[in-house]
Amino acid sequence: EAGVVQSPRYKIIEKKQPVAFWCNPISGHNTLYWYRQNLGQGPELLIRYENEEAVDDSQLPKDRFSAERLKGVDSTLKIQPAELGDSAVYLCASSYPSGSTNEQFFGPGTRLTVL
Amino acid sequence: KNQVEQSPQSLIILEGKNCTLQCNYTVSPFSNLRWYKQDTGRGPVSLTIMTFSENTKSNGRYTATLDADTKQSSLHITASQLSDSASYICVVRAYYGGSQGNLIFGKGTKLSVKP
Repeated sequence: EAGVVQSPRYKIIEKKQPVAFWCNPISGHNTLYWYRQNLGQGPELLIRYENEEAVDDSQLPKDRFSAERLKGVDSTLKIQPAELGDSAVYLCASSYPSGSTNEQFFGPGTRLTVL
Repeated sequence: KNQVEQSPQSLIILEGKNCTLQCNYTVSPFSNLRWYKQDTGRGPVSLTIMTFSENTKSNGRYTATLDADTKQSSLHITASQLSDSASYICVVRAYYGGSQGNLIFGKGTKLSVKP
């Protein structure tokens, strides 16, 4: 079974430029998460989708970040414009929606460097 | 404030030795606690998930313990191997009156196993 797929794996941009990350979750997983992980820190949730609905986007900096999950499968996270402090690893995860112990499966992440 | 604290921040051990990683949390009300392993450049991978009623859970050479009264957990690694070199992240989920809270991640313990 294929895992969570993310692309690109690495991205280097100059500040004020736009950037987009793509995620393909595990087949059948209705719930999709985007996390940001700074160096030496644990992941922090940005947004959670149940199918195509964003059910928790309280931690998403909406002035510059946006996300979409058309058709409830693939998802795209966008930053426009990027700032120096956005340099981090952006992780996508997916899971089945029900149950308190539902396991989240993480992708390899996209490492973003903003110069 | 819901927090997850891990110690030590980093650890170096010799191959074949055992080690124990610690996790203290203030998340309330508690739902479950997970330990993840994150290899460099990869996404986290779940090792164990424990609910309130579980005191210990094993996954091969990994054994996690949970004391819900003192809000402490440990991850014991037996007969360490070079491939155990990774960051180990403690993650706690809260439960809010019928709905599951988001995962709260610790900063991780970086383990290096030397030959």
